[in-house]
Amino acid sequence: QSALTQPASVSGSPGQSITISCSGTSSDIDNYNYVSWYQQHPGKAPRLMIYDVSNRPSGVSNRFSGSKSGNTASLTISGLQAEDEADYYCRSYTSSSTVVFGGGTKLTVL
Amino acid sequence: QLQLQESGPGLVKPSETLSLTCTVSGGSISSSSYYWGWIRQAPGKGLEWIGTIYFSGSTYYNPSLQSRVTMSADTSKNQFSLKLTSVTAADTAVYYCARHFLSEYRYPYPDYWGQGTLVTVSS
Repeated sequence: QSALTQPASVSGSPGQSITISCSGTSSDIDNYNYVSWYQQHPGKAPRLMIYDVSNRPSGVSNRFSGSKSGNTASLTISGLQAEDEADYYCRSYTSSSTVVFGGGTKLTVL
Repeated sequence: QLQLQESGPGLVKPSETLSLTCTVSGGSISSSSYYWGWIRQAPGKGLEWIGTIYFSGSTYYNPSLQSRVTMSADTSKNQFSLKLTSVTAADTAVYYCARHFLSEYRYPYPDYWGQGTLVTVSS
């Protein structure tokens, strides 16, 4: 199984909005709504930010939102803050009953 | 407060077996509401799913590791374990254990993670 495709890096200024894309195939994102997103700060464990494409766990800011169109999922962060600077990973269920992660995107807050 | 703690050798020789245990406190691995699993991250690299286990013993493994991976659960100790055989330097990584909650669609997502443990494969 191939990893989902994410941009290596994105950047934005405080207060702006950014979107991170996650491209898959008909074997994963396109046919299942089991997409999630994780935030990881250096040296820390990942944190679940979005699940089932667009649901936020309790405690996650509503500045974080998720969506999906076809075989591409997206994570949007609005009102960018310095603390949002981190690596972000998407994750999807696959038709083989397995899991695949994206390669990760480094978000820089300018 | 749920806590997960990985434990095991930090150094494993090539061709040997990597064995890790995740001890869960503040919650029961026997709960039907959760799955449990392992994810790893090679130095400077992304996340890689290793596998997921249900307390009943049902397991799901990454196809690329399936021939070398075994996961098990010990409900009496509230622990679950990972064994990875025939390791090479490519298996050097931080290994995380994680609880997976079930969403409204009954699909498991890792929500609570251990701090991770670095396992280095080297002679």
